Amino acid sequence: SYELTQPPSVSVSPGQTASITCSGDRLGHKYVCWYQQKPGQSPVLVIYQDGKRPSGIPERFSGSNSGNTATLTISGTQTVDEADYYCQAWDSSTRIFGGGTRLTVL
Amino acid sequence: QVQLVQSGAEVKNPGSSVKVSCQTSGYTFSAYDLTWVRQAPGQGLEWMGGIRPVFGPTNYAQKFQGRVTITADESTRTGYMELSSLRSDDTALYYCARDTAGLSAGFDFWGQGTLVTVSS
Repeated sequence: SYELTQPPSVSVSPGQTASITCSGDRLGHKYVCWYQQKPGQSPVLVIYQDGKRPSGIPERFSGSNSGNTATLTISGTQTVDEADYYCQAWDSSTRIFGGGTRLTVL
Repeated sequence: QVQLVQSGAEVKNPGSSVKVSCQTSGYTFSAYDLTWVRQAPGQGLEWMGGIRPVFGPTNYAQKFQGRVTITADESTRTGYMELSSLRSDDTALYYCARDTAGLSAGFDFWGQGTLVTVSS
């Protein structure tokens, strides 16, 4: 079965750029979405179709996808961005999530 | 505005079944898939399956095949997820979400989650 691999944790200083990766076989041939989840809250879609932002998502969130790796980039990271982030892709009719990355802003 | 409101928390015995509902509003019910995702305590997100209301089809993750049934009632704009033969490791928060499916644009609206606890 298809798998998506994320680093368990990423740390970044406020104001710096955070990059979270998501790896999978030929992932660049699939669309990737990213979700942000804060403690006690439902996930929120922050990036869809590799690099598009839903309405209301700050411009500091961006995404890319090529080869075997998709990347979520948060420019000028703020303390409010501290959360778990999950990538998600489609494999035929199945939806697949990555294991999640905890972003710490300190 | 788009809303997905789920049923309340459940406590179930091992071996029993649970049925969680997801009432939707604010969009054309038949135009989007309704998907179900679960999250065990302290763990990540896990896709269980989904349905295109009215038209079908229903898709299930291989892990849950034979144990999960996902349905939708167009008259009440409500989706349902029933999980049978419950085990302690089914204890989790269960979410419904609107799935943009053919657009591959992700799960853009989520319910608040329903906690299912499996314990004797």
